[in-house]
This record gives sequence, C-alpha cells and structure tokens, in this order.
Amino acid sequence: SQQGEEDPQALSIQEGENATMNCSYKTSINNLQWYRQNSGRGLVHLILIRSNEREKHSGRLRVTLDTSKKSSSLLITASRAADTASYFCATPSGGSYIPTFGRGTSLIVHP
Amino acid sequence: EPEVTQTPSHQVTQMGQEVILRCVPISNHLYFYWYRQILGQKVEFLVSFYNNEISEKSEIFDDQFSVERPDGSNFTLKIRSTKLEDSAMYFCASSSRQSVNTEAFFGQGTRLTVV
Repeated sequence: SQQGEEDPQALSIQEGENATMNCSYKTSINNLQWYRQNSGRGLVHLILIRSNEREKHSGRLRVTLDTSKKSSSLLITASRAADTASYFCATPSGGSYIPTFGRGTSLIVHP
Repeated sequence: EPEVTQTPSHQVTQMGQEVILRCVPISNHLYFYWYRQILGQKVEFLVSFYNNEISEKSEIFDDQFSVERPDGSNFTLKIRSTKLEDSAMYFCASSSRQSVNTEAFFGQGTRLTVV
C-alpha cells in the first residue's frame, strides 16, 4: 500500500535559502526516513526519526514528525548548489519495517 | 565506511534474455532488499530476504524474478526472461536488523536497459 508522499514535487531556490519538503503518510508508522538521490545515482540515507520523536537534527538538516497529522518535514538550511538532488521520505507500511518510498521532491539550488 | 556495492553499474540486454544483478551487502547485515526505480517514477519495493529465504515480496516480484544468496557475501536478483518494461534502475539494500531504529543502506544501483 502506498505510504509516504512528498510535497512539493519540485522546488527551485537560490543558494543560501532554506528548503522545506513535506511528507504525508497514511497508516501508523514506527519510523520515518529521509533519503537523497543525486541524478542517476543511489539513495543516500539522511536521517531516521522514530515515531516517539518530534524533531531531529543532523548538520544543516532538521526533520520534524507530527504523528497526529501523519506528516513529516525536512528542512535544509543555508542550501548549497551541492544539495541539488531528489529527496524521498520512506516509511514502513503495515506491520513491516521495510521502507516504502514516495515519489520524491526534486530540489534545485541555483548558485 | 562500509557500503553496499552493486555490479554491473549498467547492463544492456536483449528482450527475453536472463540477467543477474549482483550485490554485496554490508558484511554484518542480515536483511537484504531489492528495489527498482523506473525512470521518472518512484522507488518500488521488490523483495526482502532474511535467513536464506524471502521474507516479503511485492506484487511486482512475480515468477520471472528470483533472489539468491549463493555464498556468504553476494546477494543476487535474477530476471529470467526480460521484458522492455523491466528497464529500470535496480537498487540493493541491506540492514543489520529490522526494528524501529533500523536504517537501510542502499547501493548505487544497476541501470538495466532491455532492448
């Protein structure tokens, strides 16, 4: 069953600006993960947030989770051109721990 | 840093041919996965493998697909008779366990082109 869906589908910003991407999901989860994919490359794990956590930081990344709204956001502060990539949220579906991916947000950071 | 490695990076095959995609998961990991991503579409789960057997599979993973862990290090995905619509990027992933804290590590992918 389909789980996480990212919003917006595409985001274009200038270097130095903040980028916010959102993820909504349908069923209860035990964790939510964010991944990055550079064009034509593999998926790089960014951050995992557990269902009992509300916020988590890693460098310039800040992830929030609102289980009451079944949504998460990924904030990239002070974006750089190298942040240009697609960003995916992944949530396990049903009782599984296997990540299921959304369609992703394509982020372009202009230098 | 340990990583998941996949070979080849790009494979071109004739329709109807068999292909084997290879993966070397992270050495102490116990759970292995295959995903695929058709160009421009979402990353789709195919199959998970644990303790030498399939633990979960999606409806995409039909009889033309099979997985194997032939030795202590490799994890393979075989497509018996490729179709044009099998053209996609195939990702292998592994994790140390399946729990609320577990992250899956992905390889760089194999781009399969069926002509």
